[in-house]
Amino acid sequence: AQSVTQLDSHVSVSEGTPVLLRCNYSSSYSPSLFWYVQHPNKGLQLLLKYTSAATLVKGINGFEAEFKKSETSFHLTKPSAHMSDAAEYFCVVRGPTGGSQGNLIFGKGTKLSVKP
Amino acid sequence: EAGVAQSPRYKIIEKRQSVAFWCNPISGHATLYWYQQILGQGPKLLIQFQNNGVVDDSQLPKDRFSAERLKGVDSTLKIQPAKLEDSAVYLCASSLVGPSGTSGKRETQYFGPGTRLLVL
Repeated sequence: AQSVTQLDSHVSVSEGTPVLLRCNYSSSYSPSLFWYVQHPNKGLQLLLKYTSAATLVKGINGFEAEFKKSETSFHLTKPSAHMSDAAEYFCVVRGPTGGSQGNLIFGKGTKLSVKP
Repeated sequence: EAGVAQSPRYKIIEKRQSVAFWCNPISGHATLYWYQQILGQGPKLLIQFQNNGVVDDSQLPKDRFSAERLKGVDSTLKIQPAKLEDSAVYLCASSLVGPSGTSGKRETQYFGPGTRLLVL
């Protein structure tokens, strides 16, 4: 079965410092992986997705993630945090395709706080 | 392009009462999803529609939850009767097409702002 584990429930950084949000996945086949961001009282927004093309995926707002098969990881990074990055981030794997499957399976989320 | 619309944004009810949520997907999107997000957890799929047909409702508690998408556009999700553990944010999402072997732009799910339900 497909699943994702977000290793930190809460990450706190100072503005201008790097961001690292960790995610490990479990999948019996080559997975499709996503990162979504959820700002308070707003809908989930897709940051980036990996679909077996380039292992380094660039997303919106300066975020990127690297797919590492040997480590079963898909960590999200950003070189320099901005106050507006404070939000909850979800690592997501897509379930097996075919029939009614293929839907999104979310991790429990990592809350990112950015200190001035 | 207008996003996914949901109403109401907030709802407070007492246990054993009924409640209904409404979702209007992005125009032209064939696939519509309802998710339940309990506090401190990631969203969990409740039901998926392809046009007006149900594709997957395996995680929908059918004894109390129901959903419909009669004309293949808007959808309503109903809970009757509500329990305390139904307190959550109910998210609606839509995509141009349903999941398949690829993950192109047509499958990207766009989420609404959600309805926050509190059952007392």
